[in-house]
Amino acid sequence: KAGVTQTPRYLIKTRGQQVTLSCSPISGHRSVSWYQQTPGQGLQFLFEYFSETQRNKGNFPGRFSGRQFSNSRSEMNVSTLELGDSALYLCASSRGTSSYNEQFFGPGTRLTVL
Amino acid sequence: AQTVTQSQPEMSVQEAETVTLSCTYDTSESDYYLFWYKQPPSRQMILVIRQEAYKQQNATENRFSVNFQKAAKSFSLKISDSQLGDAAMYFCAYRSFGGEYGNKLVFGAGTILRVKS
Repeated sequence: KAGVTQTPRYLIKTRGQQVTLSCSPISGHRSVSWYQQTPGQGLQFLFEYFSETQRNKGNFPGRFSGRQFSNSRSEMNVSTLELGDSALYLCASSRGTSSYNEQFFGPGTRLTVL
Repeated sequence: AQTVTQSQPEMSVQEAETVTLSCTYDTSESDYYLFWYKQPPSRQMILVIRQEAYKQQNATENRFSVNFQKAAKSFSLKISDSQLGDAAMYFCAYRSFGGEYGNKLVFGAGTILRVKS
């Protein structure tokens, strides 16, 4: 069974640009969560999507947005990039959300903002 | 809001020895899940062990076991017979039990574990 895949793996952008990251969950998983990992702030929850609906949102500015498609693939978008957006962005997929379902993480997308 | 604290930024252990990583958390919920995740240099986050708060028995997974003290809100990870492959960043994480927060994980700052041969 294929794991969670994230594309691209590495990305370099300049300030003011926008970026779109993609996450393909494990087959049969309908929940996708996104996390930002930085040395200073650690791992922080961005948002979670389930059946194309945003279930939860972390404390991030509106420049961070996401969506989920009918095949459960998810994208997150960051507009007007700032230097502080440089981070490893991880996504995790799970079967559902109402009770415990193990979350499986992807390898991450390393975003560098210059 | 829930918080997770890992007070040991870095730990070292000799190969084949035992090491314990500490984690404390704060919550007003009575039911929840606690996890230890491992993140090796490859950055792929891997679940090590899970504990349901309503279960008093401490979880074990091969060489990994936890000491869950609900009243003290403490959740430590013990790694026995440490191996070179155990070297990684370890994160303690909290998840609410109910569906309201979905799968949202609250992570601690992490502990870097170094294994010496």
